[in-house]
Amino acid sequence: AQKITQTQPGMFVQEKEAVTLDCTYDTSDPSYGLFWYKQPSSGEMIFLIYQGSYDQQNATEGRYSLNFQKARKSANLVISASQLGDSAMYFCAMREDNTGNQFYFGTGTSLTVIP
Amino acid sequence: EAQVTQNPRYLITVTGKKLTVTCSQNMNHEYMSWYRQDPGLGLRQIYYSMNVEVTDKGDVPEGYKVSRKEKRNFPLILESPSPNQTSLYFCASSSPSRGYNSPLHFGNGTRLTVT
Repeated sequence: AQKITQTQPGMFVQEKEAVTLDCTYDTSDPSYGLFWYKQPSSGEMIFLIYQGSYDQQNATEGRYSLNFQKARKSANLVISASQLGDSAMYFCAMREDNTGNQFYFGTGTSLTVIP
Repeated sequence: EAQVTQNPRYLITVTGKKLTVTCSQNMNHEYMSWYRQDPGLGLRQIYYSMNVEVTDKGDVPEGYKVSRKEKRNFPLILESPSPNQTSLYFCASSSPSRGYNSPLHFGNGTRLTVT
């Protein structure tokens, strides 16, 4: 079974609008962390935001926030006030406590911001 | 500057000609890993290392070798490259001892083409 599922291969959003990128995960470990990365067309992987399984509040980093719904096993990334520079691939990843330092990645979502 | 450095950025080679992609990090991270990225498949782990002289197979280890003789270096070796190893490769490192919110830090990637 897939550890991380991103069901949206491609998304479009109007500039200045908000957009939600979906991520669901599969784990039986009570202790885990969820990460989002951005990959612009230049290719580098940029860490955006982290959510721990025991965190009581949703993580926020500037215009990025994580809609963490533990019971549904979802960790959706919300980008507010989209900018043209947000056009990129976005990857969701998970690290489980019981597998040491293994990171599992989804297949990614390509976001295009329309002016 | 804290970084993961991998070289070369681009490599074109022929089937069967041994090659090495180097990876070095200056953050004293215990954990290092190699991924390959292919369209529609996301990032798949090739090998990882929890510390010096400790390496383990990831999801797609066939055709690859690694070594971890020093903490900072984690080279990826293709003994006999084949066209199906044409891909974008990433080296990454992390430090779980600093907490499970410690993200993966990525190198800039190596685009390999095997003809």
